[in-house]
Amino acid sequence: KAGVTQTPRYLIKTRGQQVTLSCSPISGHRSVSWYQQTPGQGLQFLFEYFSETQRNKGNFPGRFSGRQFSNSRSEMNVSTLELGDSALYLCASSYRGPNEKLFFGSGTQLSVL
Amino acid sequence: AQSVTQLDSHVSVSEGTPVLLRCNYSSSYSPSLFWYVQHPNKGLQLLLKYTSAATLVKGINGFEAEFKKSETSFHLTKPSAHMSDAAEYFCVVSGQAAGNKLTFGGGTRVLVKP
Repeated sequence: KAGVTQTPRYLIKTRGQQVTLSCSPISGHRSVSWYQQTPGQGLQFLFEYFSETQRNKGNFPGRFSGRQFSNSRSEMNVSTLELGDSALYLCASSYRGPNEKLFFGSGTQLSVL
Repeated sequence: AQSVTQLDSHVSVSEGTPVLLRCNYSSSYSPSLFWYVQHPNKGLQLLLKYTSAATLVKGINGFEAEFKKSETSFHLTKPSAHMSDAAEYFCVVSGQAAGNKLTFGGGTRVLVKP
């Protein structure tokens, strides 16, 4: 069974640009959640999607958004990038939600210059 | 509100000696507690999960954790460290009071010396 796939692996953007990250969950998993990992703030929950609906959201500004498609693949978008958005963005999938075993992708490393 | 505190940011052990990673949590309701491990340039992998079935939880790769409600602790242990255990470990709490959102501890980086 293929694992969680995140693309691209690395991204370099400049301030003010926008970026879209992609996550393909394990086949059969309907829940996809996103996390931001930085040296200063650690790991923080961004949002969770289940069957194309956002079910939960963390404390991030509206510049951070996401969506989930009918095949459970998910994208997250960050608009008007700031230097502080530089981070490793991790996606995780599960059958029902984050309260059960999560399977993580290797992440997308975003650098904002 | 829920929170997690990992008491050590770095732990150094010799190969073959025990490992102890300490975690204290705060949660309004009966929480679910997890330990995840992250190897360099990788995503996180679940080691074990507590869901109130038993206070001593056994996980993968010889790890286990004990839930102590009176101390609000969920410490992770392994009797004998292996070189492959060098990684960062995260204690995580989830609960109904927080809408089942995950809250992560700050992480403990484990160094294993030969």
